[in-house]
Amino acid sequence: DAGVIQSPRHEVTEMGQEVTLRCKPISGHDYLFWYRQTMMRGLELLIYFNNNVPIDDSGMPEDRFSAKMPNASFSTLKIQPSEPRDSAVYFCASSFWERGGHRELFFGEGSRLTVL
Amino acid sequence: DQQVKQNSPSLSVQEGRISILNCDYTNSMFDYFLWYKKYPAEGPTFLISISSIKDKNEDGRFTVFLNKSAKHLSLHIVPSQPGDSAVYFCAASRRNTGNQFYFGTGTSLTVIP
Repeated sequence: DAGVIQSPRHEVTEMGQEVTLRCKPISGHDYLFWYRQTMMRGLELLIYFNNNVPIDDSGMPEDRFSAKMPNASFSTLKIQPSEPRDSAVYFCASSFWERGGHRELFFGEGSRLTVL
Repeated sequence: DQQVKQNSPSLSVQEGRISILNCDYTNSMFDYFLWYKKYPAEGPTFLISISSIKDKNEDGRFTVFLNKSAKHLSLHIVPSQPGDSAVYFCAASRRNTGNQFYFGTGTSLTVIP
């Protein structure tokens, strides 16, 4: 089975440009998470969805960040306008709720964003 | 505030010796803990987990110990192998009541041949 698929793997853009990161979760998973990896904060949760509905977006750093999940197999994380401090690796992860709770998260390979 | 802390950014160990990676947490409500391993340019992959009803869980060369009173867990790798060189993330959650996984900042392990 395919794992979590993210695109693009690398994105280099200039400050002020719009950036869209994409994620396809594992089929059958009902939770989707967006994380950002930085040296200072490690893996930081930005937002997560349950059955395509955003549940907690308190980790989204600013209004410049937005995320959508129009269906069970696709999610986007958008940054508009982008700034150099947004440079990081962004991970998408999915999971399913089983009796007893989530067992583990399955991560994609990440999207490395560089904003010049 | 970081609810899960990994205070050692890096660790070097000789091949064949034991690697011990440490993790501290602040929220006493956490009841489920995980370790993830991450190679460069790849996503983190699940390694081992432990529920708060246990104080030890073992899987091959990997053992996780949980000390609830100290709010501390550790990952032991014995014997360490060069292929174990990676970044290790500790994570915690409230498994039955919450959906968030809180991650530490990671420890970069280098196993020297």
